[in-house]
Amino acid sequence: ETGVTQTPRHLVMGMTNKKSLKCEQHLGHNAMYWYKQSAKKPLELMFVYNFKEQTENNSVPSRFSPECPNSSHLFLHLHTLQPEDSALYLCASSQDPPGTVTGNTIYFGEGSWLTVV
Amino acid sequence: RKEVEQDPGPFNVPEGATVAFNCTYSNSASQSFFWYRQDCRKEPKLLMSVYSSGNEDGRFTAQLNRASQYISLLIRDSKLSDSATYLCVVNRDTGRRALTFGSGTRLQVQP
Repeated sequence: ETGVTQTPRHLVMGMTNKKSLKCEQHLGHNAMYWYKQSAKKPLELMFVYNFKEQTENNSVPSRFSPECPNSSHLFLHLHTLQPEDSALYLCASSQDPPGTVTGNTIYFGEGSWLTVV
Repeated sequence: RKEVEQDPGPFNVPEGATVAFNCTYSNSASQSFFWYRQDCRKEPKLLMSVYSSGNEDGRFTAQLNRASQYISLLIRDSKLSDSATYLCVVNRDTGRRALTFGSGTRLQVQP
């Protein structure tokens, strides 16, 4: 059981498709994140949202478009992806905005496995 | 140099063994340190925070050496269920505002 839920768990899409990943956190946290995990690579931070405002974009290509309508929901809109974008996309949340509290930990959703064909 | 470096392993140990992992970080401004555990095809989960004075949680002991910029995780009396990838995580509480993950060290405990 997790306080952070992601849908869909698995997604296969063509390079011309448009799809979205959804994340919802039930923990009352104020910060939300998207991470990407490719095979044999460390987790890569993509975006950070703090109180619905984007505070960090880690040089992510524009074919990935995040949306955060409120502190509990986070979307990742996908458009014209490439096969190398196939990866596990992890949503996470934390109580405090990043960088404000020492020891602030984050909690992950189960991830969305994305395959681009 | 990577911001967080770990030996990828795998570490293959028998049940009951004691195993230790080290992790080095490059930024001396790092303030918070954690170990996460990730099972195959699952999300990372917090194992324990790492405190300056060192801390223990059951069979797990974490230590921090700020002078040498490394943290360690010691697992005593290894269980089969400890088999997983262990991620070293650091957070600068100023500047870049999110956690940085190491690539992980894979542990395989064998019967």
